[in-house]
Amino acid sequence: SQQGEEDPQALSIQEGENATMNCSYKTSINNLQWYRQNSGRGLVHLILIRSNEREKHSGRLRVTLDTSKKSSSLLITASRAADTASYFCATARHNAGNMLTFGGGTRLMVKP
Amino acid sequence: DGGITQSPKYLFRKEGQNVTLSCEQNLNHDAMYWYRQDPGQGLRLIYYSQIVNDFQKGDIAEGYSVSREKKESFPLTVTSAQKNPTAFYLCASNGLAGYTDTQYFGPGTRLTVL
Repeated sequence: SQQGEEDPQALSIQEGENATMNCSYKTSINNLQWYRQNSGRGLVHLILIRSNEREKHSGRLRVTLDTSKKSSSLLITASRAADTASYFCATARHNAGNMLTFGGGTRLMVKP
Repeated sequence: DGGITQSPKYLFRKEGQNVTLSCEQNLNHDAMYWYRQDPGQGLRLIYYSQIVNDFQKGDIAEGYSVSREKKESFPLTVTSAQKNPTAFYLCASNGLAGYTDTQYFGPGTRLTVL
């Protein structure tokens, strides 16, 4: 099974609202990353949070990491229609070189 | 422009044929990766290479082959042994071998078996 699992699988909100996506994982990690994918395109890196960090911000993005619960959340504030995309978490496991394991993604739709 | 290019964008294959997907990067990255993505799903690792002339199998390597003769190039061959090859294929790269950092992705190749 996938190391990371996102929740919810799909999310639909109105423009201006906040969107929260969650990711759970199973084994110890070096870091956790969030990526965005527009339909039919490649992935774009959004933010990386290391295992010794608890919260990180980048523009309208806020990521938290709780290693005791093996979970992370991505918050997008003041969402825009252009935020419509799939969002994936990826974990870099201990002793796994520089490989990432991706979750199944959350499909976010922001309605104008 | 620096980045990763994949070609072709769309590829159609008849059953029983081998096809090769191209991936080139000019980011001077050591490590390169191939992923498969099925509709509505996440990415699964096919093969990866941390240095030239070396590569390792990922989680779903059966029916695929790769080579890494140059740092810039990591082509993927989908062989006739791959039973269900229709999928979206993504190539990625990142910097220092053995150090996990962000991965940079190409635009993908959509392979359809007719």
